[in-house]
Amino acid sequence: QVQLQESGPGLVKPSQTLSLTCTVSGGSISSSGYYWSWIRQHPGKGLEWIGYIDYSGSTYYNPSLKSRVTISVDTSKNQFSLRLSSVTAADTPVYYCARESRPSGWYYFDYWGQGTLVTVSS
Amino acid sequence: DIQMTQSPSSLSASVGDRVTITCRASQSISRYLNWYQQKPGKAPNFLIYAASSLQSGVPSRFSGGGSGTDFTLTISSLQPEDFATYYCQQSYDTPYTFGQGTKVEIK
Repeated sequence: QVQLQESGPGLVKPSQTLSLTCTVSGGSISSSGYYWSWIRQHPGKGLEWIGYIDYSGSTYYNPSLKSRVTISVDTSKNQFSLRLSSVTAADTPVYYCARESRPSGWYYFDYWGQGTLVTVSS
Repeated sequence: DIQMTQSPSSLSASVGDRVTITCRASQSISRYLNWYQQKPGKAPNFLIYAASSLQSGVPSRFSGGGSGTDFTLTISSLQPEDFATYYCQQSYDTPYTFGQGTKVEIK
């Protein structure tokens, strides 16, 4: 059973960089056919896809956040990470990491982390 | 970006009711449409992919349909554990986008 777990500081100062890590267990992050995404959700609001990284390290970012986002992978630790620069109060939602499965030709998020709340405040 | 619009935004129903939620895409997305269920304080739970294919372990009272721009999620007989918020998501093109959610509440 694949499990994902987000970790990182829950409090970030305005204009600084938010850094989160997702640790994957029960499966290899290097397996082909899987992409690793970050998704966020403002309290009481809908879901916003931030971007993904694949097993080879190729990335794609949502254009709405592209200038501030970096997603990286550490296959030796079975982890992938999110960095979001120049944060403001608008960057204070719950952040989820998720696995996107593509083996059947259909793309979907089948495993999610429990989510981590980030507060941007001085 | 492809816009996803769900209706209704919320609904009240009783246990045993048949419930249908609609999701509309701003352009054709073939059948690249997924459904998720989210309960308060929890991560979304994956239900349906390819518009109508049930994820393993999902009860058969859930069903999906549609193609192109119009899709539905139907719960044939609402159970107490089904009261939650449901989201559609398109995986036809990046950036992936979600509907705003439909909250299913107890009448």
